[in-house]
Amino acid sequence: DTAVSQTPKYLVTQMGNDKSIKCEQNLGHDTMYWYKQDSKKFLKIMFSYNNKELIINETVPNRFSPKSPDKAHLNLHINSLELGDSAVYFCASSQGQGLTNEKLFFGSGTQLSVL
Amino acid sequence: SQQGEEDPQALSIQEGENATMNCSYKTSINNLQWYRQNSGRGLVHLILIRSNEREKHSGRLRVTLDTSKKSSSLLITASRAADTASYFCATRGQGAQKLVFGQGTRLTINP
Repeated sequence: DTAVSQTPKYLVTQMGNDKSIKCEQNLGHDTMYWYKQDSKKFLKIMFSYNNKELIINETVPNRFSPKSPDKAHLNLHINSLELGDSAVYFCASSQGQGLTNEKLFFGSGTQLSVL
Repeated sequence: SQQGEEDPQALSIQEGENATMNCSYKTSINNLQWYRQNSGRGLVHLILIRSNEREKHSGRLRVTLDTSKKSSSLLITASRAADTASYFCATRGQGAQKLVFGQGTRLTINP
């Protein structure tokens, strides 16, 4: 009955490969996010979707492509993986559009290691 | 940038002592939130303080906000070993859709 679940938890892959991370929330929230946490623990937003519509698209390489088949799912596909993509990727969700006093609910993270 | 900065970056105290962490930010905000991250886990929301509030309490947590100084503090009283975690402040700017996080304070409670 995990609220925000993402898979896989660990992902080890070679440079140049393509990989996907999946996220699902069962909270009935309208907005979902992808955050990247680097080795210094700095957490930076990448994308945000509200009811399947992209609303935040930070300066992220085109190799990263989010996909939201419905408002309960937000997947992240990464093409041509690079060493610098190694990080922990967190999925999160919030109830509304994120404009009000809302809190985020986070998944447990996917640790991506690019070799 | 609106990014919050936590201070100190790391804090180590004895169980039972109080822990204070500070957060500074750069632009006007709608609200400021504090989150906790246990090792290897996702962030968990602790408390939200609106820009028109000065202080909030939740159990052993006390948060203050000084918008004139663009700063906030998180006080954990009577610390426990289970409080060992990283603590992040996050700000939402006026009319902004995104929540911007700082780098966090790594808190260690020694038994």
